[in-house]
Amino acid sequence: GAVVSQHPSRVICKSGTSVKIECRSLDFQATTMFWYRQFPKQSLMLMATSNEGSKATYEQGVEKDKFLINHASLTLSTLTVTSAHPEDSSFYICSAVQGSNQPQHFGDGTRLSIL
Amino acid sequence: GDSVTQMEGPVTLSEEAFLTINCTYTATGYPSLFWYVQYPGEGLQLLLKATKADDKGSNKGFEATYRKETTSFHLEKGSVQVSDSAVYFCALSSIQGAQKLVFGQGTRLTINP
Repeated sequence: GAVVSQHPSRVICKSGTSVKIECRSLDFQATTMFWYRQFPKQSLMLMATSNEGSKATYEQGVEKDKFLINHASLTLSTLTVTSAHPEDSSFYICSAVQGSNQPQHFGDGTRLSIL
Repeated sequence: GDSVTQMEGPVTLSEEAFLTINCTYTATGYPSLFWYVQYPGEGLQLLLKATKADDKGSNKGFEATYRKETTSFHLEKGSVQVSDSAVYFCALSSIQGAQKLVFGQGTRLTINP
């Protein structure tokens, strides 16, 4: 149980393109979803917290106009990297939580490469 | 603020060796503590957790005990296998942090046959 699906797993695109990443909880309703960014050989850095039906809460230093988050239902959150540039290349990982005091369940991540 | 510090890697061991990966934390209140494992090219998988002092989390032969007095949550395994090669992350979550996970820097473990 508690499966989180992230799609696509890998994206390669040109600079200036906008890229959408989906995060779905397959067998549970996720009250909260989180988006992380991971640079090579480094830890995960939280970008934003997303609650269904409300605006995402972004961490300090994360541009909300650059990284658009939509959490339209209890099973789906999307991260859109707008007008992506090479410095946005990274591994993006989402996680979902079923309720309070529950562990986060992670997707398999999306490797984004901007040429 | 809350923080997690892990022993620096990489760690390289031979198969069947004993493993310890140290983890200490700083937090207000009483956080929950976690170990996550990340295999190459994948997301994170929850390995084990402990939610209160003196709790022991265990899974797949791995163990970690929540030590409030030393603010530690060291990961141990008595006999490692090649398939245990991965990156291991210690993390905490506090109510004050609204369930946000704060991760350590990760420890890369390589097990040689």
